[in-house]
Amino acid sequence: AQSVTQLDSQVPVFEEAPVELRCNYSSSVSVYLFWYVQYPNQGLQLLLKYLSGSTLVKGINGFEAEFNKSQTSFHLRKPSVHISDTAEYFCAVTLTYGQNFVFGPGTRLSVLP
Amino acid sequence: DAGITQSPRHKVTETGTPVTLRCHQTENHRYMYWYRQDPGHGLRLIHYSYGVKDTDKGEVSDGYSVSRSKTEDFLLTLESATSSQTSVYFCAISEGGEKLFFGSGTQLSVL
Repeated sequence: AQSVTQLDSQVPVFEEAPVELRCNYSSSVSVYLFWYVQYPNQGLQLLLKYLSGSTLVKGINGFEAEFNKSQTSFHLRKPSVHISDTAEYFCAVTLTYGQNFVFGPGTRLSVLP
Repeated sequence: DAGITQSPRHKVTETGTPVTLRCHQTENHRYMYWYRQDPGHGLRLIHYSYGVKDTDKGEVSDGYSVSRSKTEDFLLTLESATSSQTSVYFCAISEGGEKLFFGSGTQLSVL
């Protein structure tokens, strides 16, 4: 079974600084990878996804992620964060079309003024 | 936004009572999911459905049952609620393995 690790439970960063949120997964076969964001008291929204093709994926709100198959990683990056990026971020993986999406434990990003 | 409605939004109940949460979609998506969200665990899959009357267990299915008699509705039942089932429950839908759309969640407290 696949699993997802997010090594950092909390990441504080100053406004306009760059940020990287780490995600590693375990799987012996090809996967689809996702990053979701959850703002306070809301459901999750898709930030970006990797299905195939280019390993650098661009998403909404200036975020991007790079798929690294050899390191089984899918780290999320943003070159300059805003206060409004304060939220919890979840990495997720799925193997099979339409079936189980497995989520990591989440990383809480706090952007400080 | 995808048309997903969860009801109720908040529920307080007592240990041992049955509880049913409802998820309703207007997108005609094939797949529907129930997740629970707990601090430090992210989202964990309880049950999912891949069609009317077709359901399967997730990683934390003990103490929960589901039913899907219509494409648009997916019910989650806690047959005898326990304090360990206090959580935020999210319904999600998908047309295929490309992405999930989430509802706004149900905050359940079992006293």
